Amino acid sequence: EPEVTQTPSHQVTQMGQEVILRCVPISNHLYFYWYRQILGQKVEFLVSFYNNEISEKSEIFDDQFSVERPDGSNFTLKIRSTKLEDSAMYFCASRGQGFEKLFFGSGTQLSVL
Amino acid sequence: ELKVEQNPLFLSMQEGKNYTIYCNYSTTSDRLYWYRQDPGKSLESLFVLLSNGAVKQEGRLMASLDTKARLSTLHITAAVHDLSATYFCAVASDAGGGADGLTFGKGTHLIIQP
Repeated sequence: EPEVTQTPSHQVTQMGQEVILRCVPISNHLYFYWYRQILGQKVEFLVSFYNNEISEKSEIFDDQFSVERPDGSNFTLKIRSTKLEDSAMYFCASRGQGFEKLFFGSGTQLSVL
Repeated sequence: ELKVEQNPLFLSMQEGKNYTIYCNYSTTSDRLYWYRQDPGKSLESLFVLLSNGAVKQEGRLMASLDTKARLSTLHITAAVHDLSATYFCAVASDAGGGADGLTFGKGTHLIIQP
């Protein structure tokens, strides 16, 4: 089965630093998403991306967050100035046309010290 | 604001027994998903339910959707230890457009004892 690939699997950073989390969605998919999960808690939606622009974003996705699809394959999440509360597992997800399965990547565990 | 509630949040059961996990949501929606998550792992898609009365089955798991009651159930038949995991339901808002993010429930942590 095709996979969503995320790198790195773990990222440790100092508070105030910028981080970029990378994702390669499944190749023929059209809708791309970022979600996060704080340890032991539920999964929270951050942002959706379609047709090279943001479709929807949650309250969590404030000005310190941004997303890009710099080429035909990568999808990135940038956090400009990390805070302690940004520590979480960040999942990328992608979906094809129609209301079908949403495939999640294996996640990037971000630790902000 | 769309709210999704699952119950129970914790469930310990014995192998061979049957049980049902419930997922209620607060506003109309045309898409409901069930996911499984093993500790430290990603989310594995189990079912996508798209219409009222939809029922899907895979092995010992069966999911159903009642859009009028805003309720989905995940039924486990003759549980086996390998089904131990956390199960999440997730609902798409009905705002249209198709790209809407999912709102997840808090998850049901299921432990199946041999």
